[in-house]
Amino acid sequence: AQTVTQSQPEMSVQEAETVTLSCTYDTSESDYYLFWYKQPPSRQMILVIRQEAYKQQNATENRFSVNFQKAAKSFSLKISDSQLGDAAMYFCAFFSTSYGKLTFGQGTILTVHP
Amino acid sequence: GAVVSQHPSWVICKSGTSVKIECRSLDFQATTMFWYRQFPKQSLMLMATSNEGSKATYEQGVEKDKFLINHASLTLSTLTVTSAHPEDSSFYICSARDPDSGAGETQYFGPGTRLLVL
Repeated sequence: AQTVTQSQPEMSVQEAETVTLSCTYDTSESDYYLFWYKQPPSRQMILVIRQEAYKQQNATENRFSVNFQKAAKSFSLKISDSQLGDAAMYFCAFFSTSYGKLTFGQGTILTVHP
Repeated sequence: GAVVSQHPSWVICKSGTSVKIECRSLDFQATTMFWYRQFPKQSLMLMATSNEGSKATYEQGVEKDKFLINHASLTLSTLTVTSAHPEDSSFYICSARDPDSGAGETQYFGPGTRLLVL
């Protein structure tokens, strides 16, 4: 079974600064995908970024980038130039191609201070 | 991008009644849809995987007779909470995969349904 661990229940950042959210996972599979989802107060889950495990290059989407360390089973999210609209709960998720299911971490609540 | 809708967005019902929640993929065909439950400030718990034209696969501990799932078409899955009780009050979220998108493992989520059972 896969497990996903987010060790930071809460994080805060000043507007315009950079913050990194941590995520580690445990799996014996070699073919999988990793995701970061954002859940703002509206509770709509929004895809932030996606990483294929077979790709060494770290995914980037505008101000969002990941640090994917496959050997260490680590998948952190970096948010640059933080904005007030980035305030949300962030979930790291693991997709198993064998089981076709997403496993979510516990979530990190991000607060952005003006 | 892929859009998933859910209806209703919130529902209040009396204990003992049944509630149906619809999940639709609006601009793609979803052979697989998923139903999750989420308690406040907690993570999403997968309840079941819904495949078009076949029976849903339920996660361990989820009562099949309590949470009826039907995936009658490639764009619609429904979750019916039968004989609802206050402990069934929760936030229910569906998601769908777009197998033709080139990123078929990516799940797109509906806006959720808040259920309150009195």
